Amino acid sequence: AQKITQTQPGMFVQEKEAVTLDCTYDTSDQSYGLFWYKQPSSGEMIFLIYQGSYDEQNATEGRYSLNFQKARKSANLVISASQLGDSAMYFCAMREGGNYGQNFVFGPGTRLSVLP
Amino acid sequence: SQTIHQWPATLVQPVGSPLSLECTVEGTSNPNLYWYRQAAGRGLQLLFYSVGIGQISSEVPQNLSASRPQDRQFILSSKKLLLSDSGFYLCAWSVALGMGTDTQYFGPGTRLTVL
Repeated sequence: AQKITQTQPGMFVQEKEAVTLDCTYDTSDQSYGLFWYKQPSSGEMIFLIYQGSYDEQNATEGRYSLNFQKARKSANLVISASQLGDSAMYFCAMREGGNYGQNFVFGPGTRLSVLP
Repeated sequence: SQTIHQWPATLVQPVGSPLSLECTVEGTSNPNLYWYRQAAGRGLQLLFYSVGIGQISSEVPQNLSASRPQDRQFILSSKKLLLSDSGFYLCAWSVALGMGTDTQYFGPGTRLTVL
């Protein structure tokens, strides 16, 4: 079974508008971490934002926020005020286990295209 | 600040030839290190991870191997490359800061084409 599901293979958004990229996950662990990464055409994976399973507030980093709904096991990424430079692949990832857990799994990704 | 280096950036190798990709991390001690492979248009597949010198865990059986001869050096190798080894190889590091916070940071990657 897929541990990380990203149902949107591709998304389009108009410049300056907000966009939500979906991510659902599957785990039976109580302690886990959720991550979003951006991969531009250059290939480098850029860390964007992190949410811990025990964090009560949604994580925010500048224009990025993570809409964490634990009961629904979803961790959607919201990008506000989209910019042309936001065009890239976006990957949701999860790390299961406690302090020494090494089980880190990525979703299939969503390609975001920002239109001028 | 921490930085992670990978080389070479691109590599074209014939089938059956050996492979050596290197990854080094600066600015941190005793990092966890990872090798991932990404096929064209796909997600990331974890190949190996290491929590210390000489400690390597393999996630996927293949003709690749990994070694960690020094604390901040991680090497991916193969004795004989296959066509299916083509892909984008990413090295990553993390430090466990606490429960669930060991964010992985990635290097620039190596694009390998096996002909």
